[in-house]
Amino acid sequence: AQSVTQPDIHITVSEGASLELRCNYSYGATPYLFWYVQSPGQGLQLLLKYFSGDTLVQGIKGFEAEFKRSQSSFNLRKPSVHWSDAAEYFCAVSRGGGGNKLTFGTGTQLKVEL
Amino acid sequence: GAVVSQHPSWVICKSGTSVKIECRSLDFQATTMFWYRQFPKQSLMLMATSNEGSKATYEQGVEKDKFLINHASLTLSTLTVTSAHPEDSSFYICSAGEPGGGSTEAFFGQGTRLTVV
Repeated sequence: AQSVTQPDIHITVSEGASLELRCNYSYGATPYLFWYVQSPGQGLQLLLKYFSGDTLVQGIKGFEAEFKRSQSSFNLRKPSVHWSDAAEYFCAVSRGGGGNKLTFGTGTQLKVEL
Repeated sequence: GAVVSQHPSWVICKSGTSVKIECRSLDFQATTMFWYRQFPKQSLMLMATSNEGSKATYEQGVEKDKFLINHASLTLSTLTVTSAHPEDSSFYICSAGEPGGGSTEAFFGQGTRLTVV
């Protein structure tokens, strides 16, 4: 069975600082990997996705993530955090594309200090 | 990208009543939709897979008689919480993807905040 681990429940960074959110997955083959962001009381917005090709993927809002098969990781990064980035971030894995169910990590709550 | 619309965005109901939540794919046909549940400050857990024209597939531990799912058309799936109790209060969210591998991502509805009093 596929699973996703986000080791950090809460992270606090200063505005302008760099950010890295960790994600490790367990899956038997090459997975489809996603990062979503959720603001309080809102739905999910896709930041980026990986399913093949270049292991460094660029997403919206200046986010990027790198797929490392040897480490079973798909960490999310941003060089300079903005106060508006404060939200809950979820890493997810699927065995296929949009027509398949997602398994989510437990989420990382990002707080940005001004 | 494709749009999935979920309605209502929030609902308050009394214990013992039933509540229906709709999930619509607005610009594509979805043979499969997914229903997730999110408790406060927790992750999203898959409840069931909704299949157009056939019975839904429920995840282990989800009561199929309590959470009725109907996927009567290629653009609409409904989740009915029957005989709701306060412990059913949660955030429910649906997703769909274009079939046939046409999309590599799932599109999510806005979610429904259910409060049972």
